[in-house]
Amino acid sequence: AQKVTQAQTEISVVEKEDVTLDCVYETRDTTYYLFWYKQPPSGELVFLIRRNSFDEQNEISGRYSWNFQKSTSSFNFTITASQVVDSAVYFCALSDSYNFNKFYFGSGTKLNVKP
Amino acid sequence: DAGVIQSPRHEVTEMGQEVTLRCKPISGHNSLFWYRQTMMRGLELLIYFNNNVPIDDSGMPEDRFSAKMPNASFSTLKIQPSEPRDSAVYFCASSSGQGARETQYFGPGTRLLVL
Repeated sequence: AQKVTQAQTEISVVEKEDVTLDCVYETRDTTYYLFWYKQPPSGELVFLIRRNSFDEQNEISGRYSWNFQKSTSSFNFTITASQVVDSAVYFCALSDSYNFNKFYFGSGTKLNVKP
Repeated sequence: DAGVIQSPRHEVTEMGQEVTLRCKPISGHNSLFWYRQTMMRGLELLIYFNNNVPIDDSGMPEDRFSAKMPNASFSTLKIQPSEPRDSAVYFCASSSGQGARETQYFGPGTRLLVL
């Protein structure tokens, strides 16, 4: 069965701290896709990254970086030098070939960045 | 480029009334998804269209919900009759390609309150 677990319900940090959001996924498939989305207080869902199961290279985009480890079925997201504007709910999602019609979303991690 | 457009952004209605939510996907995208987000259940896929054809409607809660996509640039989600438990944020998302392999781009959502 497909499942995405974001065990951290809520994290609070002070501005400029680094923070890592965990995502653990379950799938029996060898071909799958992982995604991260950001939902700021305004409510929209903003796409951050897409990764396929054959690409295990870590990715860095500005202050954002992602660590994909198939051995532990994890796709963690790190924000370096956090800012107040990073405050949002972050969702990890999975799609695989058993049901390519849908995303399996995690329950989300609410990040509070305090000034 | 315009993103996914949803209307209305907010809707307040009374129990028993018909509610119609509208979505215009990103031009050129051939997959469209309707989601519902609540605190209790998180993000749930309601229905998925590919090339205007409903492919997976297993998430539609019950017969009170119906969705149509008469052409590539317009979709509706209708609730008739509405009930207080339908109160949620409804998102429309679109993607290129088939299924959830590709990145889904979300609209701003419609916040529905049924009194």
